[in-house]
Amino acid sequence: EVQLVESGGGLVKPGGSLRLSCAASGFTFSNAWMSWVRQAPGKGLEWVGRIKRKTDGGTTDYAAPVKGRFTISRDDSKNTLYLQMNSLKTEDTALYYCTTLRYLDWANDYWGQGTLVTVSS
Amino acid sequence: DIQMTQSPSSLSASVRDRVTITCRASQSITTYLNWYQQKPGKAPKLLIYAASSLQSGVPSRFSGSGSGTDFTLTISSLQPEDFATYFCQQSYSTPYTFGQGTKLEIK
Repeated sequence: EVQLVESGGGLVKPGGSLRLSCAASGFTFSNAWMSWVRQAPGKGLEWVGRIKRKTDGGTTDYAAPVKGRFTISRDDSKNTLYLQMNSLKTEDTALYYCTTLRYLDWANDYWGQGTLVTVSS
Repeated sequence: DIQMTQSPSSLSASVRDRVTITCRASQSITTYLNWYQQKPGKAPKLLIYAASSLQSGVPSRFSGSGSGTDFTLTISSLQPEDFATYFCQQSYSTPYTFGQGTKLEIK
């Protein structure tokens, strides 16, 4: 059974940093393209970014609002995905989901339960 | 970025109704269109990928169609568990943008 468990959320001041983790199990993590999607309270879904598997280059892509501030990385030896968030803004307040991406059509097929990030002074 | 526009934003319907939700892309996305269902307090769930392919375990009353810029999600006979919010998403090019959502409520 595929499981994705996010952690690391919490309350942080504007300008601060936070690192989210996503522990994966039930599938071959190193073969998977992974992504982060967020949802502000009471709002819709917003794609944050993705990371390819290493055999496809391991490169990343980001949405414009987070580019240059957020970094997605992976540790295939630990089956873990990360989201390093720097220079946080109040508008980054959201529930952050880790997802797997279906190969070749890039749908988000498995989702974690999310971890809440609150940016407030 | 590709903009995704869903309509309607909300919809009231009754059990056993046939319901259609539409999604329009700001440019052609061929068939790189996905549909998700989200219930309150839960993570989204993939229903349809590649415009018309049913995700494993999803009931056959859900179907998707379309290509290019115009897409539809159809629920052939609404069940009580289908009242939720539905999102479309394009995965043709990054950023993989979502529609704003359609909230399906009980009439």
